[in-house]
Amino acid sequence: AQSVTQPDIHITVSEGASLELRCNYSYGATPYLFWYVQSPGQGLQLLLKYFSGDTLVQGIKGFEAEFKRSQSSFNLRKPSVHWSDAAEYFCARGRGQNFVFGPGTRLSVLP
Amino acid sequence: SQTIHQWPATLVQPVGSPLSLECTVEGTSNPNLYWYRQAAGRGLQLLFYSVGIGQISSEVPQNLSASRPQDRQFILSSKKLLLSDSGFYLCAWSAPLLAGGPDTQYFGPGTRLTVL
Repeated sequence: AQSVTQPDIHITVSEGASLELRCNYSYGATPYLFWYVQSPGQGLQLLLKYFSGDTLVQGIKGFEAEFKRSQSSFNLRKPSVHWSDAAEYFCARGRGQNFVFGPGTRLSVLP
Repeated sequence: SQTIHQWPATLVQPVGSPLSLECTVEGTSNPNLYWYRQAAGRGLQLLFYSVGIGQISSEVPQNLSASRPQDRQFILSSKKLLLSDSGFYLCAWSAPLLAGGPDTQYFGPGTRLTVL
């Protein structure tokens, strides 16, 4: 079965520092990949997605992610973190009822 | 533009009581609709999936049920709540799937259910 792993349960960074959240997916011919963000008590907001083409995708709020087929990864990056980025981040893959989410990475931001 | 609504936002119910959570989507037709549950400290679990009125697929055996009485309305119900039903319930929609093509799921604000 298709799966998504996020190796880091919790990451803490200082405001202004760069950020990279890791995501790995299990083998799949066409991995439709997504990153969502969830603030406490809120729904999930789509940050970005990858279907095909350019492997570096830009999203909202200054986030970007790079698809690397050789590493089965789709890591999320941001060059300078803001305090408002503190939230839970979910990587996901698939389509329809076969949408699979990773366990999430909680991001804390130090002032 | 499309919007998705869920209500109520929070709900506290006693064990054994009934449940009805509602989700509606605006600005699109014939969406795929989904119910997920997010238990404390856990990821998202797909509960139900619907491709059209009256068409519901259940992903996890449980005491919950779902219905889709209208194209853009999705309801999650239970006749008797259990303590284990507590959690954060999220509704999502996506455009109708093309054969083999990708889709994107968009989520509502969620309902926090506490069963006491």
